Amino acid sequence: DGGITQSPKYLFRKEGQNVTLSCEQNLNHDAMYWYRQDPGQGLRLIYYSQIVNDFQKGDIAEGYSVSREKKESFPLTVTSAQKNPTAFYLCASSTSGIFTDTQYFGPGTRLTVL
Amino acid sequence: GENVEQHPSTLSVQEGDSAVIKCTYSDSASNYFPWYKQELGKRPQLIIDIRSNVGEKKDQRIAVTLNKTAKHFSLHITETQPEDSAVYFCAASSFQGAQKLVFGQGTRLTINP
Repeated sequence: DGGITQSPKYLFRKEGQNVTLSCEQNLNHDAMYWYRQDPGQGLRLIYYSQIVNDFQKGDIAEGYSVSREKKESFPLTVTSAQKNPTAFYLCASSTSGIFTDTQYFGPGTRLTVL
Repeated sequence: GENVEQHPSTLSVQEGDSAVIKCTYSDSASNYFPWYKQELGKRPQLIIDIRSNVGEKKDQRIAVTLNKTAKHFSLHITETQPEDSAVYFCAASSFQGAQKLVFGQGTRLTINP
């Protein structure tokens, strides 16, 4: 899992601003995922991509957008339409897009809305 | 869709004792059950996983058991140590269709010296 990096580690956003969270992996994994983690809750899937130039909505995609132009990169944009964006965001990757493949997580980005 | 319930939400044990965390799932098609450990402010890390053709799997002090009939699986940690203190998450997924990995709510385990 050391091959997955996220930046920045901490991010502060004013209301009404869009922000983009970076996720990069050098594991040659086909699939990448974005999860949101709130205190006392499990991880919830925002978006996932099983292959370059393709991505699917997860359970809580509203107010978020992604792109997958390169195999190594899967940036997440938190738009102003996301009403409660303060959370810990985790990116993950796996060998293939089969959900029974082991997912490896990045170190996370903590987003705070001021 | 799949629903995963995890209990207890918090667990405190004396160092050296055993800890057990239980999860139940709703989708009988689920056949992959990983457990992740997350230390404060850190990334979740896979500690053990089990697939439905196996009833039990061990790795040193950690074991996972699976009961497909009852649709529950458990994490067992023996001879607990202070470094076992963390939040543990169970999850479930399936080969069929596009079954996403669904996580339980997490258990905060505290090992008391």
